[in-house]
Amino acid sequence: GQNIDQPTEMTATEGAIVQINCTYQTSGFNGLFWYQQHAGEAPTFLSYNVLDGLEEKGRFSSFLSRSKGYSYLLLKELQMKDSASYLCAVKGTTASKLTFGTGTRLQVTL
Amino acid sequence: NAGVTQTPKFRILKIGQSMTLQCTQDMNHNYMYWYRQDPGMGLKLIYYSVGAGITDKGEVPNGYNVSRSTTEDFPLRLELAAPSQTSVYFCASSSVGTGGDEQYFGPGTRLTVT
Repeated sequence: GQNIDQPTEMTATEGAIVQINCTYQTSGFNGLFWYQQHAGEAPTFLSYNVLDGLEEKGRFSSFLSRSKGYSYLLLKELQMKDSASYLCAVKGTTASKLTFGTGTRLQVTL
Repeated sequence: NAGVTQTPKFRILKIGQSMTLQCTQDMNHNYMYWYRQDPGMGLKLIYYSVGAGITDKGEVPNGYNVSRSTTEDFPLRLELAAPSQTSVYFCASSSVGTGGDEQYFGPGTRLTVT
């Protein structure tokens, strides 16, 4: 089975940098996704890591260490619109199925 | 492309009633999924399909049924609705072989069973 842990809530200031951590224990691993979900909306894809290291995409970066079962999402130059839940999801080895963590609700304040 | 569409957006059911949640995608994706999301919880996989005519159970399949007669459509059937099925239901699709195989989600159906 899969077990995925991430903090429940975080608060950060507009313009700052925030790091959202995700740890996982899995019986099969074929990549890790980060999704963003605004309240009342569907999740939208942010990033994907399958190899160790950092993937950068504009203000968002994601890091993976497979040996440690650890990933983080880094958000730079925070904006108010970044207030949302961030979901960590591990892809298994069957049918690209995803197992999601419970999500981290990020609140960006002035 | 409309992407993944779901109907209805909202529905209130009485205990014991049945209904079908519709999901359609126009991206020619072979894989499709149904999730439920309860408040403060992550998405839980109900059923998935790797192609027309092929479906399989996910983590929480009890009380639900699915079918996949075409590539585009993947309806979810609730029989004998129970209060425990009050949730937000998301349908998603993905195409194997496009790198990360990211899943694209529909807007969701908010279901209340009373």
